[in-house]
Formats: sequence, C-alpha cells, structure tokens
Amino acid sequence: DQQVKQNSPSLSVQEGRISILNCDYTNSMFDYFLWYKKYPAEGPTFLISISSIKDKNEDGRFTVFLNKSAKHLSLHIVPSQPGDSAVYFCAAGGNQFYFGTGTSLTVIP
Amino acid sequence: DSGVTQTPKHLITATGQRVTLRCSPRSGDLSVYWYQQSLDQGLQFLIQYYNGEERAKGNILERFSAQQFPDLHSELNLSSLELGDSALYFCASSVSGIYGEAFFGQGTRLTVV
Repeated sequence: DQQVKQNSPSLSVQEGRISILNCDYTNSMFDYFLWYKKYPAEGPTFLISISSIKDKNEDGRFTVFLNKSAKHLSLHIVPSQPGDSAVYFCAAGGNQFYFGTGTSLTVIP
Repeated sequence: DSGVTQTPKHLITATGQRVTLRCSPRSGDLSVYWYQQSLDQGLQFLIQYYNGEERAKGNILERFSAQQFPDLHSELNLSSLELGDSALYFCASSVSGIYGEAFFGQGTRLTVV
C-alpha cells in the first residue's frame, strides 16, 4: 500500500509561471517531509524539507507547504525555469522514509 | 557529486543468479539506506543501517540481504534473481539517520535476463 502518493505523473508549465507539485500521505505519525529532484541518469538530490511543527518552509524560489489535517504537502516553484525540468519526489516519514512515485515537471521556455 | 559512490553502475545477469551491489557513503555519514526503483514506480525503501547495525526494514524480499561494514560501506546482496528484480537500486547516506536529508548515489541499474 502506497503511503505517499503523487497523483500527477507529469506537469507542464510555462517559464516564469508557478509550478505546484502535490503530495498526499496516509500516516499521521509522519513528522518530517522532504522533496527531492531527480535528473535522468542521476540519483535524487535533496531540495527542501519541512518538519511537522511548521506549515511552510521557503528556500529561494522553492516553498513547501504542509497541511497536516489534510495530510497533504505541496511544492511551489516561482518563477519556474527550464532548468527545473526534472522528476520531483516527495518523501515522508521520520526514522524511515517513504517516497512517492514522482512527478515529471517540464518547464517550457 | 553527492559523495556517495555506488558500484557497479550497470549489471546484467541471468535469472537464478546472485549479485552484490556496493555503496560507499559520504565521508562522516553513519547511516546508509537502500532503495529500489522499478519502472514507473517510486523509490521503494528496502533497508537502513546505522553504524553497522540494522535500523529499519522496508519492503525487502527474503532473497535480498544487506550489511554495513566497520568502514561504513554497505553491500546489498540479491540472490535467486528473477526478471522482476530488474530495477535501479539506489544507495543513500546521511549523518545520523534520523530526519534530515539523505544524499543519493547515482544508482546501479540491474537487468535480469
């Protein structure tokens, strides 16, 4: 059973606009959440994280929002750039992390 | 470069065989994780070691085993291989293994024929 779900396998956005990637989780005990970015032929790289005591964390163009009651988190990228085109994985857990299946983001110049 | 080294990068083997994947974590990281990524699947957590001891176990088959050695490198052993074991296997490491981000290697692509 998938404990972390990314229901959109792909997303296309125009350069300069906002990209919103979504992630849902099922276990209310999860208390730490991360986003990773993955380019082809490379391993995932850490992007941004948030703990359950916060509802927002911002790092430059990237902001992660956490809605604990809805068990939902989202990643906002503003403004989107062509170099952001990659697969984005969300992960949730604490001692052990569960990953979603990824969302492939394409930023169109 | 994440600092995590996985060897080999590619591996092709026959069904029924056994293979060993190797991972060298980043310098100073005590925790090593193994993940499997099959086609169109997310990263499936297999197992985590911390400073030589098994810390957490995920969806790891009984045919698979892992260990972390005193020098902190780790090996994932896959035996009685089946076609469905074909996947990308990632190793990641982190400082403590509790919260915080993990750093991933480039993965080993295993093809079972």
